[in-house]
Amino acid sequence: GAVVSQHPSRVICKSGTSVKIECRSLDFQATTMFWYRQFPKQSLMLMATSNEGSKATYEQGVEKDKFLINHASLTLSTLTVTSAHPEDSSFYICSARDPGGHTEAFFGQGTRLTVV
Amino acid sequence: GQNIDQPTEMTATEGAIVQINCTYQTSGFNGLFWYQQHAGEAPTFLSYNVLDGLEEKGRFSSFLSRSKGYSYLLLKELQMKDSASYLCAATDSNYQLIWGAGTKLIIKP
Repeated sequence: GAVVSQHPSRVICKSGTSVKIECRSLDFQATTMFWYRQFPKQSLMLMATSNEGSKATYEQGVEKDKFLINHASLTLSTLTVTSAHPEDSSFYICSARDPGGHTEAFFGQGTRLTVV
Repeated sequence: GQNIDQPTEMTATEGAIVQINCTYQTSGFNGLFWYQQHAGEAPTFLSYNVLDGLEEKGRFSSFLSRSKGYSYLLLKELQMKDSASYLCAATDSNYQLIWGAGTKLIIKP
C-alpha cells in the first residue's frame, strides 16, 4: 500500500515557540492531505484539509493563524503550530488518499507534541 | 447532520469472538472503513465495504447493510495483541471520511 511519512514522531518544545510537522506521500501524488488532532482516549478530529497549491480549508473552531498549513508540492504538506501553548499538546496525524479519494486513507506515523 | 455511532468500550476473552457494531448517518454514502489503532500509534487500515454483505479477511470480517446504515467488524480467535481501538469511518457523497469515536477493545486472558 501507499506510504505516508510524517516527521518528527515526537517533539517537546517550550511554550511560545513554533513547531513544524512534515507529511510526505512517498509513492503517490497527494493533491489533498488531511491533518488530524487526537487527544487521549478521543477519536480523530479533523483540523484542516490541505490542498496542493492553494489555501487549506480549516474546520470550524480551528485557528488558521495558529495552525499554519502549507502544501507546496504534490508530495509534501506541513503543519506549523505557532506560539505553542501547553493546551496544544496532542497527537497530530496527517493522512492522504489517492487523487480520486476512492480508497482508504493512508496515515503518517503521527507526531506527539508536548509543550512545556 | 452526519453521525457515526459505535460503542465506547468492549471486553472479550482471548480465543473468543467479538463483534463491534457501527451505525452511520451521512449525506450520501460511498463506503465504510474499519481501522485499528493501538495507543500512541496512527490508525491502520483493516477493511472497506461498499456493497452489502460480508467481507472476510483472515481472523477479521466486516459486514455492511446499506439499507440499515449498519456495519460490524467481527474478530475471531482473539489474541492479546488485538487489544486496541477500532475506528469506523463512513465516506459521504463528497468522499469525505466521517469518523466514529472508536471502540476500545480490551482482551482478557
